[in-house]
Amino acid sequence: DTGVSQDPRHKITKRGQNVTFRCDPISEHNRLYWYRQTLGQGPEFLTYFQNEAQLEKSRLLSDRFSAERPKGSFSTLEIQRTEQGDSAMYLCASSLGGGQGATTEAFFGQGTRLTVV
Amino acid sequence: AQSVAQPEDQVNVAEGNPLTVKCTYSVSGNPYLFWYVQYPNRGLQFLLKYITGDNLVKGSYGFEAEFNKSQTSFHLKKPSALVSDSALYFCAVRDMKGGKLIFGQGTELSVKP
Repeated sequence: DTGVSQDPRHKITKRGQNVTFRCDPISEHNRLYWYRQTLGQGPEFLTYFQNEAQLEKSRLLSDRFSAERPKGSFSTLEIQRTEQGDSAMYLCASSLGGGQGATTEAFFGQGTRLTVV
Repeated sequence: AQSVAQPEDQVNVAEGNPLTVKCTYSVSGNPYLFWYVQYPNRGLQFLLKYITGDNLVKGSYGFEAEFNKSQTSFHLKKPSALVSDSALYFCAVRDMKGGKLIFGQGTELSVKP
């Protein structure tokens, strides 16, 4: 297993276009998280899945954002009608969930850097 | 609400000297605390965690952290800094309900030869 992978690594898009990012978690991890990181800031939580169920969404996640995790494997994050303020690094992380999961660390992908022009 | 603060935006250290990157937390109940490192244009790499037990936690690359309940702190330390330690360091606390991490704003560590 090569860890958490994200695709693409970089995306430049014009304002108003839709973009979709993919995350492949570590295979035995049932929890998958999306974070957004802007320059000079720590990552901010967007949403998370346990298996295929989306269990929590941040208020940062406007109605232009949607995330899915079909079959509890990979996940996609879509941003519709992108705005310049969406420019950021989008990070995906996975971890074990449940009782044991509370004490285990999350593993992060290398992120997708989005630039909206 | 749970939160983490990293009071220093930047820490400068000479190679070979000890380093400390500070972190304080605010949680209800017992905290689960983590340190991650981020190199330019990369994701976050796990360094170490405190869950319970010994207050001094040892992690990757020679880093350690000291949990201090009375001061609500979890400072990252290394006895002898390397130039290759230069990076962005994040302290985080785990939200016990859903498991998400709540991060500090980060501290940029610069180690000069």
